[in-house]
Amino acid sequence: QVQLQESGPGLVKPSETLSLTCTVSGASIDLYYWSWVRQPPGKGLEWIGYSYYSGSSNYNPSLKSRVTISVDTSKNQFSLKLSSATAADTAVYYCARDFGGYSFDYWGQGTLVTVSS
Amino acid sequence: QSALTQPASVSGSPGQSITISCTGTSSDVGSYDLVSWYQQHPGKAPKLMIYEGTERPSGVSNRFSGSKSGNTASLTISGLQAEDEADYHCCSYAGGTTLVFGGGTKLTVL
Repeated sequence: QVQLQESGPGLVKPSETLSLTCTVSGASIDLYYWSWVRQPPGKGLEWIGYSYYSGSSNYNPSLKSRVTISVDTSKNQFSLKLSSATAADTAVYYCARDFGGYSFDYWGQGTLVTVSS
Repeated sequence: QSALTQPASVSGSPGQSITISCTGTSSDVGSYDLVSWYQQHPGKAPKLMIYEGTERPSGVSNRFSGSKSGNTASLTISGLQAEDEADYHCCSYAGGTTLVFGGGTKLTVL
């Protein structure tokens, strides 16, 4: 059974870098594309970006200047770094697997990250 | 890249059918058969219900179906059940290897 689990700080100070890791079990990380999606409280979903084990990645144009997503095949994990965080980045962050056709079939449970001093 | 447009809420009675629309542009929904739909219950992660516009993943009820006309994709739920009450989100490929979501629709089963 494929499982994804997000981990990282639940509180980030403004202007600092938000960092999260997604640990994948039950699937080899080098066979799929892996994405991050976020959901501000009470709002809709927002695609952040994706990465492939080869290093290929692509990001939401609105976040591109601040986002890095990378894959660590040795740990079967992928990570998100979002620099210069502001209160607008407060959200539940989900990691997800793109199984093809730009659709996400497995999701992590989500982790709330609050940006506040 | 603007968010896709969904109605904020829809409602229906048990046994009825409802349709949720998802309107984009000729740069996303209108150009690709790559719309997906997700069901999200409160406090839970989204669940894939439809992919590539009309395809259902294994295990998803055939009461759920997807379609598209022009720049608008639709999710239809037939034989509405209480357990269908949830938020529904559409998502489309938008070219340049990017994706865009809709604002989400709250479905209430009366």
